[in-house]
Amino acid sequence: QKEVEQDPGPLSVPEGAIVSLNCTYSNSAFQYFMWYRQYSRKGPELLMYTYSSGNKEDGRFTAQVDKSSKYISLFIRDSQPSDSATYLCAIPGNGNKLVFGAGTILRVKS
Amino acid sequence: DVKVTQSSRYLVKRTGEKVFLECVQDMDHENMFWYRQDPGLGLRLIYFSYDVKMKEKGDIPEGYSVSREKKERFSLILESASTNQTSMYLCASSAHLRGGYYGYTFGSGTRLTVV
Repeated sequence: QKEVEQDPGPLSVPEGAIVSLNCTYSNSAFQYFMWYRQYSRKGPELLMYTYSSGNKEDGRFTAQVDKSSKYISLFIRDSQPSDSATYLCAIPGNGNKLVFGAGTILRVKS
Repeated sequence: DVKVTQSSRYLVKRTGEKVFLECVQDMDHENMFWYRQDPGLGLRLIYFSYDVKMKEKGDIPEGYSVSREKKERFSLILESASTNQTSMYLCASSAHLRGGYYGYTFGSGTRLTVV
């Protein structure tokens, strides 16, 4: 079983839709959870991170962690064409290394 | 701004050539990483380094080596390039986040094509 599982998509939504991106993980010891956004032909950039369970909101973005289900989510409200990118979840593993999901390709159509 | 700079955005090399990919970070980070990214396979760790002259194998080190002679510079070397090494290569350094954990800062990537 992979440490982090993520549906690669692609996910295509109309402008203004609410987007839900999800990952599951296997190790219940994980405490920090991150989301990276990667635009085409660019490196990933850190979008948000959360600690333990609960929600964290930043503008149109909300990161949610459900430790009982080992499930993390990123919600995007009022999605825009500029949100079109690949979104990767990431979790700190052993030895200062991040474990990444495969990334979900999101396309927001205008 | 934290910067991780990869020397080339696009490279085309011939099979059998020795290829050097350079990465420089300006934040005095101890940890640096090399990944390759392929469609459907996500990010795969090739090598990483915790300090100058230190290196550790990642998940797919075969066919690659690295060099870290200075703290700010981490080089990836393809000893004899092959077509299956055609990929996007990403360098990263790790930054501490609040609470003692860390995130990565990535470079813009080098798209390498081996013909």
